[in-house]
Amino acid sequence: DAKTTQPNSMESNEEEPVHLPCNHSTISGTDYIHWYRQLPSQGPEYVIHGLTSNVNNRMASLAIAEDRKSSTLILHRATLRDAAVYYCILSPRGSNYKLTFGKGTLLTVNP
Amino acid sequence: SQTIHQWPATLVQPVGSPLSLECTVEGTSNPNLYWYRQAAGRGLQLLFYSVGIGQISSEVPQNLSASRPQDRQFILSSKKLLLSDSGFYLCAWTGQGSSGNTIYFGEGSWLTVV
Repeated sequence: DAKTTQPNSMESNEEEPVHLPCNHSTISGTDYIHWYRQLPSQGPEYVIHGLTSNVNNRMASLAIAEDRKSSTLILHRATLRDAAVYYCILSPRGSNYKLTFGKGTLLTVNP
Repeated sequence: SQTIHQWPATLVQPVGSPLSLECTVEGTSNPNLYWYRQAAGRGLQLLFYSVGIGQISSEVPQNLSASRPQDRQFILSSKKLLLSDSGFYLCAWTGQGSSGNTIYFGEGSWLTVV
C-alpha cells in the first residue's frame, strides 16, 4: 500500500484559512489523492479528490505538488463546524484493492 | 441514488456472546465492501474487504469474521466477543468508477463489550 503522512494535530482560528498537509512520497501514477473528514461520532465523509491538477469544490481546495509527492487541503475560511479529523488517502484507479486510513490530522478551530 | 445502511446503531454485549452487524448498500451493483473499526481515540482500522460475493479478505487476525452472502450485503460476526472488540464499527463501499473510487461510509455501530 502507498502510505501517507500527516501531522497529528493542527489548530486554527475561526474565519482564517487552514492548510492541512499530506506527504505521499511513494505515490504511483494511477493513485488518486482523496481527502475525508470525520466529525465526532460519525463516519468519515468525502471532502475532495484529485489526480494531478489542483481542484476546488464547495467544501475545500486541493493543491497537489508538481511531483505529486505531497498535497495540501485548503479550507479557505475555517468554521467551528470544520473541527474534525482529516484523512488523506491514496486511492488507486480500478478495483480489487484495499483502502487504508492513517491516523489523520485533528483540526481544532478556535472561536 | 446510492445509500448504505448498517445496524444496529448501538449495542451492549457481554463478553463471550456472539455478534452480528449487518450492512446493505442500495442503488449500485458489484460494490467493493469494507468493515472498519475505530477504537476510542484511535484511527480507522481496516478489518475486512470484499470485491465480490463470497470473496473476503481479512486484514487483521482476530476473533471476527465477515461474510457477503449477497452482492450488496456485508455481515460482520463473532462467535465469542472479547472486551477488546469494543469500538465504533463502520461499513463502507466503493464503486467501480474511474475517479479513484470515493468511499461512502455507513452511520456506524457502537459496540460495547462488558
